[in-house]
Amino acid sequence: GNSVTQMEGPVTLSEEAFLTINCTYTATGYPSLFWYVQYPGEGLQLLLKATKADDKGSNKGFEATYRKETTSFHLEKGSVQVSDSAVYFCARGTGNQFYFGTGTSLTVIP
Amino acid sequence: GAGVSQTPSNKVTEKGKYVELRCDPISGHTALYWYRQSLGQGPEFLIYFQGTGAADDSGLPNDRFFAVRPEGSVSTLKIQRTERGDSAVYLCASSPTSSTAFSEQFFGPGTRLTVL
Repeated sequence: GNSVTQMEGPVTLSEEAFLTINCTYTATGYPSLFWYVQYPGEGLQLLLKATKADDKGSNKGFEATYRKETTSFHLEKGSVQVSDSAVYFCARGTGNQFYFGTGTSLTVIP
Repeated sequence: GAGVSQTPSNKVTEKGKYVELRCDPISGHTALYWYRQSLGQGPEFLIYFQGTGAADDSGLPNDRFFAVRPEGSVSTLKIQRTERGDSAVYLCASSPTSSTAFSEQFFGPGTRLTVL
């Protein structure tokens, strides 16, 4: 089938800590992969994306690499800030449909 | 410019009633998507429009759910004979093209539907 599995939260980190949120997918063909972020009280917004194998998406210090061999798209940031506190959703797009993971809540404490 | 807007922001209704949820996409965006997000879950695809036509409605859970986009802009999601299990946040997103390979989806703030 087609699905996205991401690391369960909640995740709590101290400021400047290293962040990894794991995401793996199952799909036929070659989907595009995305990370969306939802800040408190706001709507979903695109954080980064990758459209083919070995592509690296990056934005606001976050990075994720499209790994076809491991069907993964893990989100990383070297030094998180309090303002990164949000819910992060991994998603894959195939054809006209997006499939989202269940979301990982991140809280960064000063 | 304005983003995707959805009205109402909150809707409380009684079991068995009919509801309509409205989405105003970003001007010029040809693709429009509806999703449903239950508590603690990611958005679940419901239906996709390209222009005026429903190109893919495979995510609609049953025939109580219907959506229209008569002029290729505003869309309305309609739910008949609502059930408590329909309670969720309904999200709308629009995109300038239909290709997920090249185009970002822009999401609205959602409508929180509560069925009592």
